[in-house]
Amino acid sequence: QLVLTQSPSASASLGASVKLTCTLSSGQSSYAIAWHQHQAEKGPRYLMKVNSDGSHIKGDGIPDRFSGSSSGAERYLTISSLQSEDEADYYCQTWATGIQVFGGGTKLTVL
Amino acid sequence: EVQLVQSGAEVKKPGESLKISCKGSGYSFTTHWLAWVRQMPGKGLEWMGIIYPGDSDTRYSPSFEGQVTISADKSLTTGYLQWSSLEASDTATYYCAISRIDCSGGTCYPWRPFDVWGQGTMVTVSS
Repeated sequence: QLVLTQSPSASASLGASVKLTCTLSSGQSSYAIAWHQHQAEKGPRYLMKVNSDGSHIKGDGIPDRFSGSSSGAERYLTISSLQSEDEADYYCQTWATGIQVFGGGTKLTVL
Repeated sequence: EVQLVQSGAEVKKPGESLKISCKGSGYSFTTHWLAWVRQMPGKGLEWMGIIYPGDSDTRYSPSFEGQVTISADKSLTTGYLQWSSLEASDTATYYCAISRIDCSGGTCYPWRPFDVWGQGTMVTVSS
């Protein structure tokens, strides 16, 4: 069963960095994932696809402050130089034939 | 500019029918799979299903099969999500999305990340 696990919440100070984690279920450490940012009252925004080797492909216009990486079954989204507009829910997504799956999301608070 | 523009908020009563829309522009509508995603109040994102507008090939999440109908009109470059009989539990915001990732030789695939999203349609079902 394809499952993505995210911590419900995270917080960091303005100007600092934060690393969000998305964990793939057992036996699926080779899967790529995507990160999406979901600000209040807006549609989600695709940030990047992160492969199992840590390589990532960002969406159009995504600032350099956003980067992705991998280690085993974990996929990471690192946001540096946090800005107030980075406060949002962040979802990871993965896929296999016949299914699309989202993690439960992490609510990021910028202090 | 690639855009997905969704229809406006709806307020309906239980038992009523509803069809919401998602108009695509700035890309080849017929060759990109169009998905629908639900977000219930205070909850996360749930994939509902996906359609290939070129031939209307449609795949549903088992959780939504039989509960909704996904369709598309190529001539209007518009996708649709419809209910024949709404329930209070259908109260949610619904998003459409497409994937342009890893398309090859004009062929795109349903099992790829969504890289363009609509702005969402809020549906409220209440007596």
